[in-house]
Amino acid sequence: AQSVTQPDIHITVSEGASLELRCNYSYGATPYLFWYVQSPGQGLQLLLKYFSGDTLVQGIKGFEAEFKRSQSSFNLRKPSVHWSDAAEYFCAVGLGSNFGNEKLTFGTGTRLTIIP
Amino acid sequence: GAVVSQHPSWVICKSGTSVKIECRSLDFQATTMFWYRQFPKQSLMLMATSNEGSKATYEQGVEKDKFLINHASLTLSTLTVTSAHPEDSSFYICSAGPRNTQYFGPGTRLTVL
Repeated sequence: AQSVTQPDIHITVSEGASLELRCNYSYGATPYLFWYVQSPGQGLQLLLKYFSGDTLVQGIKGFEAEFKRSQSSFNLRKPSVHWSDAAEYFCAVGLGSNFGNEKLTFGTGTRLTIIP
Repeated sequence: GAVVSQHPSWVICKSGTSVKIECRSLDFQATTMFWYRQFPKQSLMLMATSNEGSKATYEQGVEKDKFLINHASLTLSTLTVTSAHPEDSSFYICSAGPRNTQYFGPGTRLTVL
C-alpha cells in the first residue's frame, strides 16, 4: 500500500523568507500527488497537483512543487512567504483510475508558523 | 476547481441523539464521495467511501452501524452519526471530485454533550 511521509511536524519561517515543505511517498509506480492547505477550522484547499509531464508544477498562491522520481519526493516551495500562509499543509497521494475517484492517502501534515 | 459544500458547518447535540451531515457537489456529478474524520492537530482519517446507488465501503475499525452513509443522488451524500456520544465529537470533512482530483468541503464540527 502507498504511504506518505512529511518529516517536519512544525516549521517556523520569517515573513518574506523562502519555504520548502518536504514530502516523500512510497509506491511502486508514479502516483498522483497533491498538496493541500488547511486553515484552522476549515476544509482543505487544493494548492497543486502532479499527474504526469513537467515535474515542476505551479499552484495557487505562488506555490510550486517538484516531483523527483529518484527521491520519491514531492516537495512544496514558495520563494517568499506571507503571514497569511500560516496554516497546516498536507501532502497526499492517490492511485488514480479510469473512474477518476480513487481515495487519497495523506501525510501527517506540517504546521507552518510565520513570524514577523 | 470543483466546489463541494457541507451542511451544517457546526452542530451541538445531546448524547444519544442522531445527527445528519450533508455533503453536496455543486458543479459536478459525483458517483463517489469520501468521508473523513479529523481530530485536533491531526491528519485526516478516511472513514468511508460513499458510492451512489450502492452501499458505502467502510475503512477498517469504522462502525458502519454508528456512521450511516447514504448516497442517493449524484450530488448528495449524507453521513448520519447515530446515537452520538461525546467520543464522536470531531471535525468531519467530505470530499469529491472529477478527474482524479479531490475537492473538500468546509467541514462540520460536531460536539456531543
